[in-house]
Formats: sequence, C-alpha cells, structure tokens
Amino acid sequence: QKEVEQDPGPLSVPEGAIVSLNCTYSNSAFQYFMWYRQYSRKGPELLMYTYSSGNKEDGRFTAQVDKSSKYISLFIRDSQPSDSATYLCAMRIYNQGGKLIFGQGTELSVKP
Amino acid sequence: NAGVTQTPKFRVLKTGQSMTLLCAQDMNHEYMYWYRQDPGMGLRLIHYSVGEGTTAKGEVPDGYNVSRLKKQNFLLGLESAAPSQTSVYFCASSSSTGRERYEQYFGPGTRLTVT
Repeated sequence: QKEVEQDPGPLSVPEGAIVSLNCTYSNSAFQYFMWYRQYSRKGPELLMYTYSSGNKEDGRFTAQVDKSSKYISLFIRDSQPSDSATYLCAMRIYNQGGKLIFGQGTELSVKP
Repeated sequence: NAGVTQTPKFRVLKTGQSMTLLCAQDMNHEYMYWYRQDPGMGLRLIHYSVGEGTTAKGEVPDGYNVSRLKKQNFLLGLESAAPSQTSVYFCASSSSTGRERYEQYFGPGTRLTVT
C-alpha cells in the first residue's frame, strides 16, 4: 500500500461546478500538506499548503486537512476551463530535508 | 531569473547506453531533488541533496547516481539505461528556511525513452 493514495480520475465536470479532490495517507508523522497543479507537459507548481488539521482558503480554492481521519481535500469553487490540469497532493515530515511524498495525481477536465 | 532549468528536454537512448541529466537553479536553494513521473504513479523521489557535496537516496534510487559538486547544479546519471527507466524526469529545488521551505520549484522536465 502506498503511503499516499489519490484517485487518479480522470474527472470531468462542467464549468461552474464545485470540484472535490481527495487524498488519504497512512503515515501519522506527516505534518505539512500541499497541493500542486500540473498543466500538460509542464512541471508541477505549488497551489496551496497547510500545516496540521483545519481549513485554508485562497480565492476559489480551499484546502482541508483532517489528521484524525488521515484525509485531505482540495475544493475548487466556480471551476473554470483554465483549472483543467492534474492535481497532486503531497506531504512531508518535519525536518527530513524537505522530502515530499506525492499522491498519484487526479486529472481534472472542466468543460465550457 | 530562470528558476529551475533542465537539460536536455528530450532524449532517446538504446538499452545499455549511459547519459547525464543536468539540473540548474539560480535561486540559491540549499535543497535539490530528482523525481520521475510515470502514468498512474505520481512523482517518485529518486535522489535528493540537502547541500553542496551531499546526496541521499529517495524512494526509487536503483539504477541512478547523482552528484552535487556545485550548489546550483544537481546531476542525475544513468550508467546503463534500461527500458524501465523510460519516464519523465523532473528536477526541483527548495529553500531550507523561511516560508519558502514549504515550496519546491520544479523544472520543465526531461522526457527520456529507452528502447
């Protein structure tokens, strides 16, 4: 079993829909949780990061962490065609040289 | 400020050939990483470095070697390429301090095919 599990999709939604992307993990030592966005044939870019449990909002994006359930989510409100990309969750343990463990990535397509 | 650059962008190798992938960053970052990305597998860490002259193994180090002789460069070597090493390779770097330590900056990737 991988340390971080993510449904690879693909996920297709109409423009304006609310999108929910999720990851589960098994290592309770993970403390920092990130979401990266990767456009086709590009390198990933950091979208959001959170520390420990709770919610964090940035515009149309909300990241949620539930450490008791070992579950993290990314919500996208009013989704746009420009949000079409692969979304990767990533996690790290404090003081391990910045190493990240990534989920498999979810491919999202937002149709106009 | 070019960020993270990778050379080459594409390469086709025959089984058994060797090659070196070069990663360069101009952000004065201490940490650098090499990942491979395969369909359905996400990004998997091959090797990483926490400073000039240091390297460490990641999740999938077998068949690869690395060197970090200069702070800004991180080289990934394949001594005897195998078809299983066909993949997209990404280099990344990050700071070790401050708010920036949470973010890894990625290069554009190198698409390698081994036949």
